[in-house]
Amino acid sequence: GAVVSQHPSWVICKSGTSVKIECRSLDFQATTMFWYRQFPKQSLMLMATSNEGSKATYEQGVEKDKFLINHASLTLSTLTVTSAHPEDSSFYICSAGRRSEAFFGQGTRLTVV
Amino acid sequence: LAKTTQPISMDSYEGQEVNITCSHNNIATNDYITWYQQFPSQGPRFIIQGYKTKVTNEVASLFIPADRKSSTLSLPRVSLSDTAVYYCLVGDKGRGSTLGRLYFGRGTQLTVWP
Repeated sequence: GAVVSQHPSWVICKSGTSVKIECRSLDFQATTMFWYRQFPKQSLMLMATSNEGSKATYEQGVEKDKFLINHASLTLSTLTVTSAHPEDSSFYICSAGRRSEAFFGQGTRLTVV
Repeated sequence: LAKTTQPISMDSYEGQEVNITCSHNNIATNDYITWYQQFPSQGPRFIIQGYKTKVTNEVASLFIPADRKSSTLSLPRVSLSDTAVYYCLVGDKGRGSTLGRLYFGRGTQLTVWP
């Protein structure tokens, strides 16, 4: 089946630094990918839609300057958390759709210290 | 998007059948019902999707009554490894560009005991 892969699986960074998370569709092309955030014991929250070759579309309340999204190719979207703070610590998940199914990456655990 | 309501948690024992019901009173004509499973620190995994009546695959069955205002995910003979959070989502099946733009509810934490 279709596979979506994220890298890294986990990352620890210092407060004030930026962190980049990659999302790849391994065996299919995805013109659109999606980024979610999940805090402990909570549900997934859609952050933004990543569009290949154009600007990302952010959900209400998500800071576009804080969470930079780049979808430079049909198989890669990146999420950069800029000037990270401890409150940005969370589980970030990407997804891509193919035919009638949405496929999710394994997630990236971000811890900001 | 139609809002969904699920039980927050359920408990079961190994070998039993588990039925998780989801309410979606405002489901639209074009909406499909999709269930996902999520283990801790992993991304959600598609389980099953349906529009009406009954759908069955190798891991689960989905029962949808005629009014489509609810649906029931049925897991036959659960094992310890089925302990996870199960999400019910309702929305347009969408095309490739919209698949994955999903709004998750709180989900149901299923715990299977030995």
